[in-house]
Amino acid sequence: NAGVTQTPKFQVLKTGQSMTLQCAQDMNHEYMSWYRQDPGMGLRLIHYSVGAGITDQGEVPNGYNVSRSTTEDFPLRLLSAAPSQTSVYFCASSSAAKVGETQYFGPGTRLLVL
Amino acid sequence: AQTVTQSQPEMSVQEAETVTLSCTYDTSENNYYLFWYKQPPSRQMILVIRQEAYKQQNATENRFSVNFQKAAKSFSLKISDSQLGDTAMYFCAFKGTSGTYKYIFGTGTRLKVLA
Repeated sequence: NAGVTQTPKFQVLKTGQSMTLQCAQDMNHEYMSWYRQDPGMGLRLIHYSVGAGITDQGEVPNGYNVSRSTTEDFPLRLLSAAPSQTSVYFCASSSAAKVGETQYFGPGTRLLVL
Repeated sequence: AQTVTQSQPEMSVQEAETVTLSCTYDTSENNYYLFWYKQPPSRQMILVIRQEAYKQQNATENRFSVNFQKAAKSFSLKISDSQLGDTAMYFCAFKGTSGTYKYIFGTGTRLKVLA
């Protein structure tokens, strides 16, 4: 079991560039989320999905798009990167059947936007 | 809306001593789950301990235990016999059960264990 994987580990972008952060899980989890982590702000929810084909906005969705075409994958797209999107991004997944179970986190992607 | 507050941005403790990290939350739900996560310098988020609100007994995991006060909406983490490897960011998190999937996180407490 690989758990939750994220690629890339680190990325530098120029303002206005686009990119996709990849996230995959092999635990057949229904729920998947994207968070960003900034100093003093904790983890803030960007977008989440409760199953293939179903996504919804979190606390800070502006500037990000998501889709969920399969149970395994939940990519996060930055259409036009801005310096304010410099952050560490975490993908997480959890089971719908186990309501109180923890989320499982990927290793994170550090993004620097110049 | 649910909120989670960690009022201690940074703490330090001497090796082998005991330290308590505070967490308070706000919710109108009666049943929910609370979590403490550890984030070492590697950035990997690691579950430390989990508490179910309908269970009155405080959860324990080896050197880690919680003081869960449901009426006060308080969920503090006690680390006994602190070790250098406990140096990390610690996040408190809340998950309700009334139809929402979201986990709500506090802003974290940076703990440094001193040799």
